Amino acid sequence: AQSVTQLDSQVPVFEEAPVELRCNYSSSVSVYLFWYVQYPNQGLQLLLKYLSGSTLVKSINGFEAEFNKSQTSFHLRKPSVHISDTAEYFCAVSSSGYSTLTFGKGTMLLVSP
Amino acid sequence: DAEITQSPRHKITETGRQVTLACHQTWNHNNMFWYRQDLGHGLRLIHYSYGVHDTNKGEVSDGYSVSRSNTEDLPLTLESAASSQTSVYFCASSEPETGNEQYFGPGTRLTVT
Repeated sequence: AQSVTQLDSQVPVFEEAPVELRCNYSSSVSVYLFWYVQYPNQGLQLLLKYLSGSTLVKSINGFEAEFNKSQTSFHLRKPSVHISDTAEYFCAVSSSGYSTLTFGKGTMLLVSP
Repeated sequence: DAEITQSPRHKITETGRQVTLACHQTWNHNNMFWYRQDLGHGLRLIHYSYGVHDTNKGEVSDGYSVSRSNTEDLPLTLESAASSQTSVYFCASSEPETGNEQYFGPGTRLTVT
């Protein structure tokens, strides 16, 4: 069985500050890793994903995440956040060969002026 | 553009009534999923389908059922609604060729009184 732990339920940060949202997973097989973002009253949108190859993956809006197999982590980072980044962020894992995703409980990123 | 839609967006029903939530996708994806989202629990998988006439139970399937008669639709039925099923329900679809990336609908907010 696989599981995902998001260590922080809420992360408050000031605008233009850097941020890291932490995600650890457990799985006995090869994995695919995802970060999704959910804005208020909306569905989830894919932010970025790791399938294979380079362990550092980036999104179009400045987020990046690094797959660390030895630490079973996939932390999400952004060097400078904007007010518009305020949302809930979900980490998810899928085992290669299977189509279901297991989600973490989410981290609410609160960006204030 | 391809999309995934859910209806209704909001529903209030009484305990004991049967309720059906609709999910329709135009991605032509074989895989479809139903989740419920509750505060403190993240997203939990209810049922999923890998194709027409295929259905599988997820983590929290008790009290729910699905049927898949075509590629586009996966309706979720609550046989006898309970207050514990008050939640926000999300439908998603995917194809293995894209690394199990799931595309989400906008959600249905269900209140059972």
